[in-house]
Order: sequence, then structure tokens, then C-alpha cells
Amino acid sequence: GAGVSQSPSNKVTEKGKDVELRCDPISGHTALYWYRQRLGQGLEFLIYFQGNSAPDKSGLPSDRFSAERTGESVSTLTIQRTQQEDSAVYLCASSYGITRTDTQYFGPGTRLTVL
Amino acid sequence: AQSVAQPEDQVNVAEGNPLTVKCTYSVSGNPYLFWYVQYPNRGLQFLLKYITGDNLVKGSYGFEAEFNKSQTSFHLKKPSALVSDSALYFCAVREGANNLFFGTGTRLTVIP
Repeated sequence: GAGVSQSPSNKVTEKGKDVELRCDPISGHTALYWYRQRLGQGLEFLIYFQGNSAPDKSGLPSDRFSAERTGESVSTLTIQRTQQEDSAVYLCASSYGITRTDTQYFGPGTRLTVL
Repeated sequence: AQSVAQPEDQVNVAEGNPLTVKCTYSVSGNPYLFWYVQYPNRGLQFLLKYITGDNLVKGSYGFEAEFNKSQTSFHLKKPSALVSDSALYFCAVREGANNLFFGTGTRLTVIP
């Protein structure tokens, strides 16, 4: 079946502009995660959605970052007033459930460059 | 608090030789451990996971990992490396939270 998809694959923006990144999870997966991967570093957790529960926003680095999810489908990560330090690859993952044993499957990522 | 360490930024191995990519973890409860691989300009691909049971876990592409509770390690191994195994490898742990905590990654280069 289809995997996790993300769009755009690349985004170049100017400092101060807002950007929206999109994630389509695997069909039937109830949990959706956003991570950030800075150059040469591991992944940082940003936010997590599970069904209709309130999202876990504990990883969002500032109030310029926000995310929404429509039901158990598409999610959008929004970064307002982008800064150069926001440049990174933003990865989305989904999993069937939320137990600790569930495997997260990742999309190809969106590479964001803030000039 | 949970954490993962990958002590080697870079591992080089000759094609056909066995490879090991190291990972150690720190958790207060039972660890759930994962290995992912990232090829250039692509997302992370799941390789294998340890949940419970047999300490030797077998995964995709001939990879396996050994869980060692006393050494708090979960090293990734393969008996015979291929050039196509060259990639960035991430170890991750999950304890109480639902998100994964990742190591900083190890770049594996298999030399022909």
C-alpha cells in the first residue's frame, strides 16, 4: 500500500514568511507525528496526534510553530515568521496505534530552507 | 528521562566484512528499541525493533540487532556488508512517551 507522503519535497522561503508543510499518513493509521532533522543531527520530536485526542505539543520549539490534523487524515505543520534556524528537514510519521510497540513509518520529508 | 547514544559518527567497513553500528540507551523502565536507516534524500526506513523476548532481533535486508540489558546496548549487525548498505543509521528508544527519542546517527560507508 501507499506509504506516508509529504509535500512539498523542497521549500525555499525568505525570513519572516509563513510556510505550510503537509503530511498524508498511511490509511488506517490513527497516530501521526512530526519531527525535525537539522543538518548532521538526529530527529527532534515536535508534535503528535492520536485520533480525536488533544495533540501532544511538548516538542514544539516556539509559538511560531503549530500543527493541525483533520480527523485521522491529513496534517499541516505551519511555521510563522520563519527564521534561518528553522532550516531543516521536517519529517512526518504515522503508526497504526499508540502502544509503545507500534512502529512509526516515515515519509520522505520536506526540506525547508530559510534565506 | 530516556536517551540514546550512538558513539560513532562514522563507520567504514570493507564490502563482504561484518559490520556493527553501536547504540546504547538509558531508560528508567522497559526499553523499546528501534533501528532506522536513511538513504540520501529519503525518509527513514524501519529496519527492526526489540520489544521483548529473544535478545537477537532479525530485520530487513539481512540486518539483526542484539539487545543486551546488562550493557544497555542494542548494536546493529550484519554478517556481510554490501556497498548498497552505505547510509545513515539511527537508533531510537521509546519508553513511556509515544514519540521516539533518536540518537544522532551513524554514517556507514561500505568500501568496495
